[in-house]
Amino acid sequence: QQQVKQSPQSLIVQKGGIPIINCAYENTAFDYFPWYQQFPGKGPALLIAIRPDVSEKKEGRFTISFNKSAKQFSLHIMDSQPGDSATYFCAASTGTTDSWGKLQFGAGTQVVVTP
Amino acid sequence: GAGVSQSPRYKVAKRGQDVALRCDPISGHVSLFWYQQALGQGPEFLTYFQNEAQLDKSGLPSDRFFAERPEGSVSTLKIQRTQQEDSAVYLCASSLGNVYTEAFFGQGTRLTVV
Repeated sequence: QQQVKQSPQSLIVQKGGIPIINCAYENTAFDYFPWYQQFPGKGPALLIAIRPDVSEKKEGRFTISFNKSAKQFSLHIMDSQPGDSATYFCAASTGTTDSWGKLQFGAGTQVVVTP
Repeated sequence: GAGVSQSPRYKVAKRGQDVALRCDPISGHVSLFWYQQALGQGPEFLTYFQNEAQLDKSGLPSDRFFAERPEGSVSTLKIQRTQQEDSAVYLCASSLGNVYTEAFFGQGTRLTVV
């Protein structure tokens, strides 16, 4: 069963808009929540990651919001550009030595930013 | 090399054929992971190595799947008697090995079983 649920499946925004992607999880042992960006024919690349001890993290135009009590986290892309058009995946894992690399990925959100 | 290198990039196999997929991690990276990505889906964990030790192979779909990393560097994912449902992109990732350090993914090998 999918341990991380991601929505929406796809979205289209105009340049300058703010795509928002949401993820929810059930396993309270998860304590590492990365977001990956994937272009066609390429492997996923880490965008930004958060731990549960903070509620928000910003890196450039990308912001993660984290709600530990609701077991939800989201990605906002500020001032989106056509070059941001890609598939975005949320993921989660536990922080133990033998399991932190076992990332549980969401199903992905295809984002299209129109000029 | 500059990044994680996977070969071949594309592989077409006849059903029942054995295949071997290679991963060259970033030099010095202790941890290595294999994931399977079906079309339009997120990657699914297959297995995880720390140096040459396979710490977790819980994601391997069946005993037809086997992974090794004998010298703690290059890894090979082998699939025996391929089936159509094995068609997917197989991704390899590596990291320095400390908890929470970034995992860098290769471009993947697209396997098509006909």
